[in-house]
Amino acid sequence: QSVLTQSPSASGTPGQRVAISCSGSNSNIGTNPVNWYRQLPGTAPKLLIYSNNQRPSGVPDRFSGSKSGTSASLAISGLQSEDEADYYCAAWDDSLNGVLFGGGTKLTVL
Amino acid sequence: EVQLLESGGGLVKPGGSLRLSCAASTLGFSTYSMNWVRQAPGKGLQWVSSMSGSSDYIFYADSVKGRFTISRDNAKKSLFLQMSSLRTDDTAIYYCATGFGYSGANGFYFQDFEYWGRGTLVTVSS
Repeated sequence: QSVLTQSPSASGTPGQRVAISCSGSNSNIGTNPVNWYRQLPGTAPKLLIYSNNQRPSGVPDRFSGSKSGTSASLAISGLQSEDEADYYCAAWDDSLNGVLFGGGTKLTVL
Repeated sequence: EVQLLESGGGLVKPGGSLRLSCAASTLGFSTYSMNWVRQAPGKGLQWVSSMSGSSDYIFYADSVKGRFTISRDNAKKSLFLQMSSLRTDDTAIYYCATGFGYSGANGFYFQDFEYWGRGTLVTVSS
């Protein structure tokens, strides 16, 4: 079964650096690029990272993405209270012929 | 910036049908692949369907295949999702999103959902 696995929660204090991981398989992350999305409460998702490590215009360089093998990671440096949100990884899965989203990681800024 | 506005959600009984629409503001609508993503109450994101700009490539999640049909009208800058045989587990906020299609090592794929609408709520309940 093709799934992208994320830890349900993460936390950090203002100014800290946090990393959110996403684990997949050869049919998704191992072959195709990874996206990361942020969803603030009650709002639509926002694209944070595309092509594993590229930021769309307007996304601060505090956000960075990386990929190695069948895993990917989103790092947020200089953590701010407004970073408190749900974060999702996503990748195309060649076996399913569809987009897989991770289960999401709820980031709490303490 | 592209603005998207979904409409057509509402309350429908199990087994019923509903047609969602997504109106785009961009003149370059036909250059984007278009996508539907849903989110059940309190749950995560779930991809539903994607369609390339020229409608050559269409994919559906297994959970909706045979029940949902995606379509688009590039002249009217609109995307649609015809939903039939609705089930209670189809209850969700449905978002439309722009994206891009790519040719990869194993075929065509969709990625990079950059612009999203605010979503429209579909509730399937008796």
